Amino acid sequence: SQTIHQWPATLVQPVGSPLSLECTVEGTSNPNLYWYRQAAGRGLQLLFYSVGIGQISSEVPQNLSASRPQDRQFILSSKKLLLSDSGFYLCAWTKGLAGTDTQYFGPGTRLTVL
Amino acid sequence: RKEVEQDPGPFNVPEGATVAFNCTYSNSASQSFFWYRQDCRKEPKLLMSVYSSGNEDGRFTAQLNRASQYISLLIRDSKLSDSATYLCVVIPLRGNTGKLIFGQGTTLQVKP
Repeated sequence: SQTIHQWPATLVQPVGSPLSLECTVEGTSNPNLYWYRQAAGRGLQLLFYSVGIGQISSEVPQNLSASRPQDRQFILSSKKLLLSDSGFYLCAWTKGLAGTDTQYFGPGTRLTVL
Repeated sequence: RKEVEQDPGPFNVPEGATVAFNCTYSNSASQSFFWYRQDCRKEPKLLMSVYSSGNEDGRFTAQLNRASQYISLLIRDSKLSDSATYLCVVIPLRGNTGKLIFGQGTTLQVKP
């Protein structure tokens, strides 16, 4: 069966510090991968998605970036965090390209920027 | 206008009640629809897909109205464990690599 991991689970970082969040998927190959952010009391916002190694599409201009160095690894980064980067970061995967397959979410990383 | 809109609630209902949520979407070309459930401080999990003909899973019934561009979720015989936020999800275009558009969510609180 497939599983998706994210770490760290929680993170408290000062403004201006760098960020690296990691997501890995097990039990499947060539998944579509997604990064979402959910601010407190808000809906999920799609940040990046990837259909393959090295292929990243950005949805929202911001100070975040994403990379996919391996088939089942997706990384979210920032060089300098802002207060507004606080939120719940969720990685998700899906198998198909048709857009009708279920997306499965990882447990998330709760980021607080102080 | 938001692409997907939901009444954030909260909906406070007693155990055993029937409750319904609606969700409207703006893109008439939207292809796929889902309801996800999100417990407090947890990741969203798929509750059910929404098919054109409507579908039922136990106490949960989902329906799609393409003409009016809304989907609905009906929960019968509410349980305390149904308390959660219910997210309406739309995939706007076929072949769009699976990008999901989420509503803000509707919070349900079932009281004893």
